[in-house]
Amino acid sequence: EVQLVDSGGDLVQPGGSLRLSCTASGFTVSSNYMNWVRQAPGRGLEWVSVIYGGSVTTYYADSVKGRFTISRDNSKNTLYLQMESLRAEDTAVYYCARALPFGGYLDYWGQGTLVTVSS
Amino acid sequence: DIQMTQSPSTLSASVGDRVTITCRASQSINIWLAWYQQKPGRAPKFLIYKASSLEGGVPSRFSGSGSGTEFTLTISSLQPDDFATYYCQQYKSYPYSFGQGTKLEIK
Repeated sequence: EVQLVDSGGDLVQPGGSLRLSCTASGFTVSSNYMNWVRQAPGRGLEWVSVIYGGSVTTYYADSVKGRFTISRDNSKNTLYLQMESLRAEDTAVYYCARALPFGGYLDYWGQGTLVTVSS
Repeated sequence: DIQMTQSPSTLSASVGDRVTITCRASQSINIWLAWYQQKPGRAPKFLIYKASSLEGGVPSRFSGSGSGTEFTLTISSLQPDDFATYYCQQYKSYPYSFGQGTKLEIK
């Protein structure tokens, strides 16, 4: 059974850093396109980043480019999102989501982890 | 970047009704469109890909259509479990983008 478990969300001060994790089971993260999507409180979905399977190709939303870094650890079958220089507008529930190679649609999602940026 | 616009933002309907949600893209995305359902406090659930292909296990009362810039999601006969928020998403090019959502509520 495919499962994604998000973790690492916390309360952090503006300008601070945080690393989110997404542990996968039932499939191999290195063989798929893994994404982060976020949702600010009471708002819609915003795509954040993707890392391609089998390569180091990554893409980011303009709103996080230069501040967030997506990566994975194949040995742990885990996806990460390193977030730096956090701002109040980064406050959101962060979901990891799988896309099949060359698919693009997000067929499995984690349960989400809440990041709150506030002093 | 491709902008996605859904209408209406809110839709009131009754069990058994047929409802349609529209999603428009700011430029052609061919058929590279997906639909998701989200309930409060839950992760989105994937419903439809390539504009009209139903994911396995999704009830057949859900259907999608369209190509280019205009797409629709139709629920043929609303069930109590269908009251939720629905999002479209383009995956023609990065950055991927979602519509703002359509909240389907009980009339």
